[in-house]
Amino acid sequence: AQSVTQPDIHITVSEGASLELRCNYSYGATPYLFWYVQSPGQGLQLLLKYFSGDTLVQGIKGFEAEFKRSQSSFNLRKPSVHWSDAAEYFCAVGARSGYSTLTFGKGTMLLVSP
Amino acid sequence: EPEVTQTPSHQVTQMGQEVILRCVPISNHLYFYWYRQILGQKVEFLVSFYNNEISEKSEIFDDQFSVERPDGSNFTLKIRSTKLEDSAMYFCASSEKEGWNSPLHFGNGTRLTVT
Repeated sequence: AQSVTQPDIHITVSEGASLELRCNYSYGATPYLFWYVQSPGQGLQLLLKYFSGDTLVQGIKGFEAEFKRSQSSFNLRKPSVHWSDAAEYFCAVGARSGYSTLTFGKGTMLLVSP
Repeated sequence: EPEVTQTPSHQVTQMGQEVILRCVPISNHLYFYWYRQILGQKVEFLVSFYNNEISEKSEIFDDQFSVERPDGSNFTLKIRSTKLEDSAMYFCASSEKEGWNSPLHFGNGTRLTVT
Protein backbone atom coordinates (compact mmCIF):
# COMPACT_ATOMS: atom_id res chain seq x y z
CA ALA A 1 0.00 0.00 0.00
CA GLN A 2 1.15 3.50 -0.72
CA SER A 3 2.04 6.04 1.94
CA VAL A 4 3.08 9.67 2.10
CA THR A 5 5.32 11.40 4.62
CA GLN A 6 5.50 15.11 5.16
CA PRO A 7 8.25 15.51 7.74
CA ASP A 8 7.53 19.13 8.63
CA ILE A 9 4.39 19.83 10.64
CA HIS A 10 4.93 23.59 10.68
CA ILE A 11 7.15 25.86 8.63
CA THR A 12 7.54 29.62 9.04
CA VAL A 13 8.85 31.64 6.13
CA SER A 14 9.35 35.37 5.79
CA GLU A 15 7.31 37.08 3.12
CA GLY A 16 9.34 37.27 -0.06
CA ALA A 17 11.58 34.37 0.90
CA SER A 18 11.70 31.09 -0.96
CA LEU A 19 9.80 28.02 0.17
CA GLU A 20 10.32 24.30 -0.06
CA LEU A 21 7.89 21.80 1.47
CA ARG A 22 9.06 18.24 1.64
CA CYS A 23 7.14 15.16 0.62
CA ASN A 24 8.30 11.55 0.45
CA TYR A 25 6.17 8.72 -0.81
CA SER A 26 6.23 4.98 -0.73
CA TYR A 27 4.77 3.11 -3.67
CA GLY A 28 5.81 0.10 -5.68
CA ALA A 29 5.67 1.82 -9.06
CA THR A 30 5.70 5.36 -10.35
CA PRO A 31 2.76 6.98 -8.64
CA TYR A 32 0.48 9.81 -9.47
CA LEU A 33 1.52 12.68 -7.18
CA PHE A 34 -0.42 15.71 -6.08
CA TRP A 35 -0.13 18.78 -3.91
CA TYR A 36 -3.26 20.28 -2.39
CA VAL A 37 -3.66 23.46 -0.36
CA GLN A 38 -6.25 24.15 2.30
CA SER A 39 -6.81 27.73 3.39
CA PRO A 40 -8.71 28.31 6.63
CA GLY A 41 -12.39 27.47 6.21
CA GLN A 42 -11.84 26.26 2.68
CA GLY A 43 -11.76 22.92 0.94
CA LEU A 44 -8.76 21.22 -0.56
CA GLN A 45 -7.61 22.94 -3.73
CA LEU A 46 -5.37 21.19 -6.23
CA LEU A 47 -2.08 23.05 -6.76
CA LEU A 48 -0.39 20.71 -9.20
CA LYS A 49 0.04 17.10 -10.20
CA TYR A 50 2.62 14.78 -11.68
CA PHE A 51 1.72 11.86 -13.90
CA SER A 52 4.69 11.29 -16.16
CA GLY A 53 7.15 13.09 -18.39
CA ASP A 54 8.93 16.25 -17.27
CA THR A 55 9.79 15.81 -13.62
CA LEU A 56 9.40 19.52 -12.88
CA VAL A 57 5.74 20.46 -12.90
CA GLN A 58 4.23 23.90 -12.69
CA GLY A 59 1.06 24.63 -10.80
CA ILE A 60 -1.20 27.46 -9.87
CA LYS A 61 -0.24 30.44 -7.71
CA GLY A 62 3.41 30.26 -8.76
CA PHE A 63 4.11 26.86 -7.21
CA GLU A 64 6.20 24.12 -8.73
CA ALA A 65 7.22 20.64 -7.65
CA GLU A 66 9.94 18.27 -8.70
CA PHE A 67 9.57 14.50 -8.84
CA LYS A 68 12.78 12.69 -7.91
CA ARG A 69 12.41 8.97 -8.32
CA SER A 70 15.77 8.17 -6.71
CA GLN A 71 14.71 9.97 -3.55
CA SER A 72 11.01 9.04 -3.70
CA SER A 73 10.31 12.71 -3.23
CA PHE A 74 7.96 15.31 -4.64
CA ASN A 75 8.90 18.57 -2.96
CA LEU A 76 6.87 21.71 -3.45
CA ARG A 77 8.63 25.01 -4.07
CA LYS A 78 7.88 28.65 -4.54
CA PRO A 79 10.56 31.28 -5.19
CA SER A 80 8.87 34.12 -3.31
CA VAL A 81 6.18 33.56 -0.71
CA HIS A 82 3.25 35.93 -0.26
CA TRP A 83 1.29 36.38 2.96
CA SER A 84 -1.74 34.87 1.22
CA ASP A 85 0.16 31.58 0.86
CA ALA A 86 -0.29 30.89 4.56
CA ALA A 87 -2.28 27.67 4.62
CA GLU A 88 -1.94 23.95 5.12
CA TYR A 89 -0.35 21.98 2.31
CA PHE A 90 -0.99 18.32 1.63
CA CYS A 91 0.98 15.96 -0.53
CA ALA A 92 -0.95 12.98 -1.88
CA VAL A 93 -0.33 9.89 -3.96
CA GLY A 94 -2.72 8.00 -6.18
CA ALA A 95 -2.31 4.42 -7.27
CA ARG A 96 -1.95 3.62 -10.95
CA SER A 97 -4.86 1.22 -10.89
CA GLY A 98 -8.28 1.26 -9.40
CA TYR A 99 -10.49 4.18 -8.68
CA SER A 100 -9.46 7.72 -7.87
CA THR A 101 -8.61 7.27 -4.21
CA LEU A 102 -5.85 9.39 -2.76
CA THR A 103 -3.49 8.71 0.10
CA PHE A 104 -2.57 11.92 1.85
CA GLY A 105 0.28 13.02 4.05
CA LYS A 106 -0.40 14.67 7.40
CA GLY A 107 0.08 18.12 5.97
CA THR A 108 2.47 20.99 6.57
CA MET A 109 1.17 24.24 8.00
CA LEU A 110 2.87 27.22 6.38
CA LEU A 111 3.09 30.41 8.38
CA VAL A 112 4.26 33.58 6.67
CA SER A 113 5.92 36.26 8.77
CA PRO A 114 6.09 39.92 7.73
CA GLU B 1 -16.39 28.07 -11.23
CA PRO B 2 -18.62 25.19 -10.09
CA GLU B 3 -18.06 24.07 -6.54
CA VAL B 4 -18.76 21.11 -4.32
CA THR B 5 -20.90 22.35 -1.46
CA GLN B 6 -21.27 20.72 1.93
CA THR B 7 -23.76 21.34 4.69
CA PRO B 8 -23.66 21.97 7.53
CA SER B 9 -20.22 23.45 8.04
CA HIS B 10 -20.22 22.32 11.65
CA GLN B 11 -22.37 19.70 13.37
CA VAL B 12 -22.39 18.77 17.02
CA THR B 13 -24.07 15.55 18.08
CA GLN B 14 -24.23 13.29 21.08
CA MET B 15 -22.64 9.88 21.09
CA GLY B 16 -25.01 7.23 19.79
CA GLN B 17 -27.00 9.62 17.64
CA GLU B 18 -27.35 9.34 13.89
CA VAL B 19 -25.96 12.09 11.69
CA ILE B 20 -26.29 12.79 8.01
CA LEU B 21 -23.71 14.90 6.26
CA ARG B 22 -24.81 16.43 3.00
CA CYS B 23 -22.95 17.24 -0.16
CA VAL B 24 -23.91 18.64 -3.52
CA PRO B 25 -21.28 17.56 -6.05
CA ILE B 26 -20.54 19.46 -9.23
CA SER B 27 -23.48 18.89 -11.53
CA ASN B 28 -21.82 17.02 -14.41
CA HIS B 29 -19.61 14.88 -12.19
CA LEU B 30 -20.24 11.16 -11.98
CA TYR B 31 -17.85 9.97 -9.27
CA PHE B 32 -18.30 10.89 -5.64
CA TYR B 33 -16.14 10.44 -2.57
CA TRP B 34 -15.97 10.96 1.14
CA TYR B 35 -12.74 11.59 2.99
CA ARG B 36 -12.21 12.53 6.60
CA GLN B 37 -9.50 14.16 8.67
CA ILE B 38 -9.29 13.58 12.39
CA LEU B 39 -7.68 16.58 14.06
CA GLY B 40 -3.92 16.43 13.71
CA GLN B 41 -4.01 13.37 11.48
CA LYS B 42 -4.01 12.58 7.79
CA VAL B 43 -6.85 13.06 5.39
CA GLU B 44 -8.16 9.50 4.91
CA PHE B 45 -10.24 7.97 2.16
CA LEU B 46 -13.59 6.56 3.26
CA VAL B 47 -15.60 5.61 0.20
CA SER B 48 -16.11 6.19 -3.50
CA PHE B 49 -19.45 5.97 -5.26
CA TYR B 50 -20.40 5.63 -8.90
CA ASN B 51 -23.54 4.65 -10.75
CA ASN B 52 -25.52 4.45 -7.52
CA GLU B 53 -23.28 2.00 -5.82
CA ILE B 54 -20.14 1.93 -3.74
CA SER B 55 -17.05 1.48 -5.91
CA GLU B 56 -14.47 1.17 -3.20
CA LYS B 57 -14.34 1.62 0.54
CA SER B 58 -11.66 1.71 3.17
CA GLU B 59 -11.41 -0.23 6.41
CA ILE B 60 -12.76 2.81 8.21
CA PHE B 61 -16.04 2.57 6.34
CA ASP B 62 -17.70 -0.08 8.48
CA ASP B 63 -21.36 -0.96 8.95
CA GLN B 64 -21.97 2.26 10.88
CA PHE B 65 -21.44 4.24 7.68
CA SER B 66 -23.59 4.42 4.60
CA VAL B 67 -23.78 6.63 1.55
CA GLU B 68 -26.65 7.52 -0.66
CA ARG B 69 -27.52 9.63 -3.64
CA PRO B 70 -31.17 10.22 -2.82
CA ASP B 71 -31.86 12.46 -5.80
CA GLY B 72 -30.03 13.87 -8.78
CA SER B 73 -28.02 16.39 -6.83
CA ASN B 74 -27.29 15.32 -3.25
CA PHE B 75 -24.75 12.82 -1.98
CA THR B 76 -25.01 11.97 1.70
CA LEU B 77 -22.90 10.23 4.32
CA LYS B 78 -24.80 8.72 7.23
CA ILE B 79 -23.27 7.59 10.49
CA ARG B 80 -25.84 5.46 12.29
CA SER B 81 -24.59 5.57 15.86
CA THR B 82 -21.83 8.09 16.32
CA LYS B 83 -18.81 7.45 18.50
CA LEU B 84 -16.42 9.94 20.02
CA GLU B 85 -13.75 8.84 17.56
CA ASP B 86 -15.97 9.85 14.64
CA SER B 87 -15.21 13.48 15.47
CA ALA B 88 -13.41 14.77 12.40
CA MET B 89 -13.63 17.01 9.38
CA TYR B 90 -15.49 15.20 6.63
CA PHE B 91 -14.75 16.17 3.04
CA CYS B 92 -16.91 15.37 0.08
CA ALA B 93 -15.32 15.30 -3.37
CA SER B 94 -16.43 14.67 -6.90
CA SER B 95 -14.81 14.06 -10.25
CA GLU B 96 -16.10 14.06 -13.79
CA LYS B 97 -14.53 10.79 -14.84
CA GLU B 98 -12.59 7.92 -13.40
CA GLY B 99 -8.84 8.26 -13.44
CA TRP B 100 -6.34 10.88 -12.46
CA ASN B 101 -6.76 13.07 -15.51
CA SER B 102 -10.06 14.02 -13.96
CA PRO B 103 -9.03 15.66 -10.70
CA LEU B 104 -11.00 15.51 -7.48
CA HIS B 105 -12.82 18.67 -6.48
CA PHE B 106 -13.27 18.95 -2.73
CA GLY B 107 -15.88 20.75 -0.69
CA ASN B 108 -15.07 22.94 2.30
CA GLY B 109 -15.85 20.14 4.71
CA THR B 110 -18.21 19.49 7.61
CA ARG B 111 -16.66 19.51 11.05
CA LEU B 112 -18.40 16.82 13.09
CA THR B 113 -18.04 16.97 16.85
CA VAL B 114 -19.34 14.03 18.86
CA THR B 115 -19.78 14.71 22.56
